[in-house]
Amino acid sequence: GQQVMQIPQYQHVQEGEDFTTYCNSSTTLSNIQWYKQRPGGHPVFLIQLVKSGEVKKQKRLTFQFGEAKKNSSLHITATQTTDVGTYFCAGPLTGGGNKLTFGTGTQLKVEL
Amino acid sequence: NAGVTQTPKFQVLKTGQSMTLQCAQDMNHNSMYWYRQDPGMGLRLIYYSASEGTTDKGEVPNGYNVSRLNKREFSLRLESAAPSQTSVYFCASYGAGGQPQHFGDGTRLSIL
Repeated sequence: GQQVMQIPQYQHVQEGEDFTTYCNSSTTLSNIQWYKQRPGGHPVFLIQLVKSGEVKKQKRLTFQFGEAKKNSSLHITATQTTDVGTYFCAGPLTGGGNKLTFGTGTQLKVEL
Repeated sequence: NAGVTQTPKFQVLKTGQSMTLQCAQDMNHNSMYWYRQDPGMGLRLIYYSASEGTTDKGEVPNGYNVSRLNKREFSLRLESAAPSQTSVYFCASYGAGGQPQHFGDGTRLSIL
């Protein structure tokens, strides 16, 4: 079945260091979404990428969608304690209904 | 704006007990979803409802039933709770193309 994997599962960084999480799909995706979940919270939408090779930036966050539309990455420059949380990618599930399949997530911890 | 509201926020059940988790959204969205989140496994789709009056199975439907009571409300029922159903349950809704899913705060369910 359709699978979306993320690496790494955990990342522990010092404040100010950069962070990258990678997302890989077993199938080609029409689009990919990224969500952030703070500890004890719920997933919150960050961004959606649609085009092959697309790059979008939100302040210190840079999102890329691969040329083959099967992989994506999220890069955070100069992490801050406010970046702590789990980052999920998600792609549309086949079969309609606007369903998403979520990646396994990357948990980011930031130390002062 | 309340967005997506889930009740209860926490619940402890004994094995074999039944329970209904409630979800309501006030964004006039057609599609609603139930996910479970377990450590290291991301979010997995249990059931979804593409529109009022329709429901369909997701990736992990066994042991659950759902009801789309009206456009606003989508409930999840555990008929005979099992310890393997200990998890955090999230409800989400979705409006139209290009929009993200909006999540409720979750229900933390423990089954002893």
